Amino acid sequence: NAGVMQNPRHLVRRRGQEARLRCSPMKGHSHVYWYRQLPEEGLKFMVYLQKENIIDESGMPKERFSAEFPKEGPSILRIQQVVRGDSAAYFCASSDPGQSHGRTEAFFGQGTRLTVV
Amino acid sequence: AQSVTQLGSHVSVSEGALVLLRCNYSSSVPPYLFWYVQYPNQGLQLLLKYTSAATLVKGINGFEAEFKKSETSFHLTKPSAHMSDAAEYFCAVSDRSNTGKLIFGQGTTLQVKP
Repeated sequence: NAGVMQNPRHLVRRRGQEARLRCSPMKGHSHVYWYRQLPEEGLKFMVYLQKENIIDESGMPKERFSAEFPKEGPSILRIQQVVRGDSAAYFCASSDPGQSHGRTEAFFGQGTRLTVV
Repeated sequence: AQSVTQLGSHVSVSEGALVLLRCNYSSSVPPYLFWYVQYPNQGLQLLLKYTSAATLVKGINGFEAEFKKSETSFHLTKPSAHMSDAAEYFCAVSDRSNTGKLIFGQGTTLQVKP
């Protein structure tokens, strides 16, 4: 049973380019979370998605950031016109929809480390 | 609003010594609490969780944590540190809106000296 798969593991973008980060949840999981980890900081929640729906995007920056989780395929976190401040590790997590979400374990991917030059 | 505070961004212990990583939470409702470990350039792995059952929770790799409501604490301990325990540790509280999103502390880096 493969875990949460994120790709790429490392991504370098020049300022102004677009970054696309992909996340395939664990088999059987249809709930996906994205977190951002800035250097020397803990993880900060960005967005929570179910298949074809954004449930909670309270942690997403208002501009340039978007996320989707289509019916088929991985979840995508998209950052347009990247700036140096976007450099961070972006983690995806998935959970089992059959359990109470407050108490259930979220399984994390290995992250995508974005560097903006 | 819920929050988590981890006291001490860096903790250093000798191999074989007690490990104590501190976590205090703030929550207006009974919390669900988690400890995750992150090895260099890796994702997060769950060590243990408290979901309102037993207050002393045992996890993987010999770690345990005790939920103390009166102290709003959920400190992580291990009786004897091993070199392989060197990593970053995160305490987190689950948002009780039932979305399952986690609110993380800033993390504690554990160094284990030979």
